[in-house]
Amino acid sequence: AQSVTQLDSHVSVSEGTPVLLRCNYSSSYSPSLFWYVQHPNKGLQLLLKYTSAATLVKGINGFEAEFKKSETSFHLTKPSAHMSDAAEYFCVVSDLTGRRALTFGSGTRLQVQP
Amino acid sequence: NAGVTQTPKFRILKIGQSMTLQCAQDMNHNYMYWYRQDPGMGLKLIYYSVGAGITDKGEVPNGYNVSRSTTEDFPLRLELAAPSQTSVYFCASSRGQGAKASNQPQHFGDGTRLSIL
Repeated sequence: AQSVTQLDSHVSVSEGTPVLLRCNYSSSYSPSLFWYVQHPNKGLQLLLKYTSAATLVKGINGFEAEFKKSETSFHLTKPSAHMSDAAEYFCVVSDLTGRRALTFGSGTRLQVQP
Repeated sequence: NAGVTQTPKFRILKIGQSMTLQCAQDMNHNYMYWYRQDPGMGLKLIYYSVGAGITDKGEVPNGYNVSRSTTEDFPLRLELAAPSQTSVYFCASSRGQGAKASNQPQHFGDGTRLSIL
């Protein structure tokens, strides 16, 4: 079975400082990994996805993530936080069986201080 | 540019009532999903469908039913509402087919917030 673990339930940064949201995964095969963002009272929006083409993945709004097989990690980073980045972030692994369903981490709430 | 549309956005039910949560997508996606999100948690899969006429259970199907008569629509039915079903429900869709189907992103609706009292 596949799973993801988000190591921090809450992260607080100051505007203009770097963001690091940590995610470790467990998978029997080469995984498909995603980061989604959820703003309050909204659905989930795809930030980026890892599909084995490149280990450093660039997403929307300046976010990127690096796939490290040796560490089974897929951490999300951004060089400079913006107030609009405050949201809930989910690390997600895709089911490689027929149903293609997603397994979600428990989420990391990012707070950005002015 | 509708994407995935869920209705209603909010609903309050009494214990034992029934209701249907509607979900429609206009992207001609074969795969559709229903998830629930409890406070402070990630999403959990309730039911999914790989095409019209084909549905199957996810992790937490008890108390729910689904049908998929068309590619576009995937309604979720609660027959006897219970307080444990108070949650936010998300519908999603994806292309889902082909050798690289596992890396096709899912597109989500804005959710239905359901309270059962």
